[in-house]
Amino acid sequence: DAGVTQSPTHLIKTRGQQVTLRCSPISGHKSVSWYQQVLGQGPQFIFQYYEKEERGRGNFPDRFSARQFPNYSSELNVNALLLGDSALYLCASSPTGDGYGYTFGSGTRLTVV
Amino acid sequence: RKEVEQDPGPFNVPEGATVAFNCTYSNSASQSFFWYRQDCRKEPKLLMSVYSSGNEDGRFTAQLNRASQYISLLIRDSKLSDSATYLCVVNQVSGAGSYQLTFGKGTKLSVIP
Repeated sequence: DAGVTQSPTHLIKTRGQQVTLRCSPISGHKSVSWYQQVLGQGPQFIFQYYEKEERGRGNFPDRFSARQFPNYSSELNVNALLLGDSALYLCASSPTGDGYGYTFGSGTRLTVV
Repeated sequence: RKEVEQDPGPFNVPEGATVAFNCTYSNSASQSFFWYRQDCRKEPKLLMSVYSSGNEDGRFTAQLNRASQYISLLIRDSKLSDSATYLCVVNQVSGAGSYQLTFGKGTKLSVIP
């Protein structure tokens, strides 16, 4: 079975630009969560989606938005990029989103210059 | 106070050594607890869940003390392949029903031949 797929793997953007990151969960998993990992820190929660509904949002500005599609794949959008948005963005897939059975994708490494 | 605090590390130990990781968390309403392992520039992977009764998986033993809000991980007979960053993770539920994994900063372990 395919694991969690994230695209692109690497991305370089300029300050002020917008970016869209994509995630395909494991087949049968209905929940997708997004995390941001800055170098030297643990991942930080951004969003959780379950059955296409936003279930939770972390302490991130409104420049960050996301959605989940009927096939349970998800997109994370970041507008007006700042240098501080440079990080590894991780998508976690799980059957029910209750904290158990999370599988992370290999992430998208975003560099803002 | 950070929500999840870990030993800052890094830990450099010889092969065969026993190494202990400690972690404290601030939210007494936290529901479930995990140790994740993250190799350099890779995604986090679940090492083991942590239960109040303590649990063991081969050379790895995890313990939870809810009263003192303390989590530990013990690795016996360290192998070179154990070299990684170990992340203490706490699962919290928000009022809206969102399950949010909160990660510690991680403790880097290097096992030396």
